[in-house]
Amino acid sequence: SQQGEEDPQALSIQEGENATMNCSYKTSINNLQWYRQNSGRGLVHLILIRSNEREKHSGRLRVTLDTSKKSSSLLITASRAADTASYFCATAGSGNTGKLIFGQGTTLQVKP
Amino acid sequence: EAQVTQNPRYLITVTGKKLTVTCSQNMNHEYMSWYRQDPGLGLRQIYYSMNVEVTDKGDVPEGYKVSRKEKRNFPLILESPSPNQTSLYFCASSSPGTSGRSYEQYFGPGTRLTVT
Repeated sequence: SQQGEEDPQALSIQEGENATMNCSYKTSINNLQWYRQNSGRGLVHLILIRSNEREKHSGRLRVTLDTSKKSSSLLITASRAADTASYFCATAGSGNTGKLIFGQGTTLQVKP
Repeated sequence: EAQVTQNPRYLITVTGKKLTVTCSQNMNHEYMSWYRQDPGLGLRQIYYSMNVEVTDKGDVPEGYKVSRKEKRNFPLILESPSPNQTSLYFCASSSPGTSGRSYEQYFGPGTRLTVT
């Protein structure tokens, strides 16, 4: 079952602009993770935010989590052409199973 | 280098011909998982394993088998492949992390399977 719903499905911006992607989920979580996928390649972990955290930063990435609204956002600041990729949110449930449920992803195109 | 490897990377086969996609990780991770990725459907989990000899079904297990005889290996077996199993397959591994529940996943490079 797909828990994460991502919005928008596709995003096209100019280099230097900020990109914001949103993710909503349905059940309680232990943490929420964001992954990046370059075309046809394996996913790469970007950042993890725990259920008791509200905001986290890593370089040009900023992630927020609102557990009351069951939503998260990923902000990429000062985007570069190399940021062109698909971005997925994934939620880890409260049980200690290791299972992640992935959203369908946002495809980001950054034009030079 | 910490990594997850998959083989083969590309495979074209015919309906009904048994195949195995291998997956190996060198990070001593307890948890391993197989996903398939299809356009418009995102990543869907096929099977996962919490540790050696412990496996369980994910969301789309029909037509697939797995085994976990060693901690580092988690092969995916298609006993009788059908065209609807044409997809991009990913293996991933993770561990609970220092907090006990992180499970940040490391993905293999993917196997593109075509069943005709």
